Amino acid sequence: QKEVEQDPGPLSVPEGAIVSLNCTYSNSAFQYFMWYRQYSRKGPELLMYTYSSGNKEDGRFTAQVDKSSKYISLFIRDSQPSDSATYLCAMKRTQGGSEKLVFGKGTKLTVNP
Amino acid sequence: GAVVSQHPSRVICKSGTSVKIECRSLDFQATTMFWYRQFPKQSLMLMATSNEGSKATYEQGVEKDKFLINHASLTLSTLTVTSAHPEDSSFYICSARDFRLGTTWGDIQYFGAGTRLSVL
Repeated sequence: QKEVEQDPGPLSVPEGAIVSLNCTYSNSAFQYFMWYRQYSRKGPELLMYTYSSGNKEDGRFTAQVDKSSKYISLFIRDSQPSDSATYLCAMKRTQGGSEKLVFGKGTKLTVNP
Repeated sequence: GAVVSQHPSRVICKSGTSVKIECRSLDFQATTMFWYRQFPKQSLMLMATSNEGSKATYEQGVEKDKFLINHASLTLSTLTVTSAHPEDSSFYICSARDFRLGTTWGDIQYFGAGTRLSVL
């Protein structure tokens, strides 16, 4: 079982739709949870950064963490064509005294005008 | 957010040549930088952790002599792919760790735009 599982999609929605992106994980050692957005042929851009279980909202984006279920989500409200990108979940754990980010495979999202 | 600059964005080289990729933190000092590799439709895979003034820590399966990392200053880390071969063709991405947010939230990694390496 992989440490982090993410459905690669692709996911296609109409403009204005609510998008739900999800990741599951198996390692309880993960303490910090992040969502990155990656446009084609570009580096990942940090969108959300959370620590505890619960919701964190930033504009049209809401990150949700459920540590008991080992499940995290990213919701995008009023989706726009400019939101079309690959969304990567990432989780941080400590290994051998150093911290390590583990990424999901990414979900490719297309928002159609 | 913090800015990380990666150069070049695209490299095409002949098999057997060496290629150097630079990663710079532009508005903060980064004692730790990371190098990742990403294959099409795959996740980012950590290759090595680069610490300023010391040797890099490589992940299992990554050849140290193949991928040379130098982190000589607080704002610059370089990755050199030595004697590149077609199987080294990939998207290489660096990130820099920003501690400025304090310990409550832990540190954040900011990523460069990536370098697409094609070895002919």
